[in-house]
This record gives sequence, C-alpha cells and structure tokens, in this order.
Amino acid sequence: GENVEQHPSTLSVQEGDSAVIKCTYSDSASNYFPWYKQELGKRPQLIIDIRSNVGEKKDQRIAVTLNKTAKHFSLHITETQPEDSAVYFCAGGDGGSQGNLIFGKGTKLSVKP
Amino acid sequence: EAQVTQNPRYLITVTGKKLTVTCSQNMNHEYMSWYRQDPGLGLRQIYYSMNVEVTDKGDVPEGYKVSRKEKRNFPLILESPSPNQTSLYFCASSPSSGSSYEQYFGPGTRLTVT
Repeated sequence: GENVEQHPSTLSVQEGDSAVIKCTYSDSASNYFPWYKQELGKRPQLIIDIRSNVGEKKDQRIAVTLNKTAKHFSLHITETQPEDSAVYFCAGGDGGSQGNLIFGKGTKLSVKP
Repeated sequence: EAQVTQNPRYLITVTGKKLTVTCSQNMNHEYMSWYRQDPGLGLRQIYYSMNVEVTDKGDVPEGYKVSRKEKRNFPLILESPSPNQTSLYFCASSPSSGSSYEQYFGPGTRLTVT
C-alpha cells in the first residue's frame, strides 16, 4: 500500500520568510496529493491539492509542486504570517472511487513575528 | 449546513467498557474514514469505507470495529477499550467522484481510557 513520508517534523521561520515542506510517496499509482492545515485545537482543513496531471498549482501565497518521476511533492508558503502557524499534513492516494488517502506525520510550522 | 458531526466530543471511560463513537455526514458522500491522532504520529487511519456495506482496514485497525449500514453514518466501536486507545479521534468524509476529493473532518472526539 501507499506510504507517505513528510519532512521536516518541525519548522521555524521569521515572519515574511518562505517555508517549504516536502513529502515523498511510494505508490506510483497515486494520483491525488492534498495538503491539510490543522490549527491548534481544531480539525484538519484542506488548503490546496494537486493531481498527477499537473506539475504545479498556486493559490495566493501557497503553492504545491509535484515531481511524479521522483515521487515527491512540496508545499511552499511565501511571505509567511503568524496565522500560518499550524500543523501541516500532506497526503497521497488514488482520489475517487479507486482507492484511499494516506497522510504524512505532519509538520509543525511556527512563524515568529 | 454541510458538516460532519461526531459524538461524544469528550469521553473518559474505564478499561473494558464497550463504547461507540458516532459519525454522521449530511453531504451524501460515499467515502468515510476514521483516524486517530497522537503526538508525533500524525493522522493514522483506523478503518475506511468506500460505500454502504463496504469497509476496509487502515493502518491501525486492532481493537476497533466499524459498520456502514447507511450512507450517512459510520460509527466506531471499541469492544474492550484499553489505555493505549487513549487518543484524539477524527471522522472524515469525501465524495468519491466529481471535481473534488476533499476530505471533510468532524470536530474530533477526545477519548481517555483509564
């Protein structure tokens, strides 16, 4: 089955700097890669996702890149703000009726003012 | 309002006393899943269901049972809870077709087994 590895486990940046979180996956059949943000005491919520037929996707200050050959994908947050502080989870799987979604262990991002 | 609900939100129980955590969604989603969240271990999947009467084991199914008799409900059953099942539990649902596979999470159930 799918295995998703996520690095780093913790990340501390200064406000305004960029943050990058990386994930690798094992199953070449996986074609859907979402990122979830979990603020303290709250439920995880989707912030961006990408499918295997796309190499990059952007939404304002966040972007995700996917390298299918190398089986890795990354989350990029630019101009970080204190409200970006949270735990971020990557996930991989076969979106839709074909399969299931497996999550990485999470990255705790701290943005220092 | 589209949502996933879980009950109870908090539960303290004793070893061996059977309990059920309910999960319900009103979005007509085919896919539902249970996760447990422990510090440093992320979201580990317990069981998932692709549709009514179809369930499958996730990464950590031992000590848990599920059923999917109706599309909207996916209860998690602990027949004989043990202290190592103390955790934060999340239920989630998503569509299995269409333009988005976003998983919608419930608010979580914090379980303590003494």
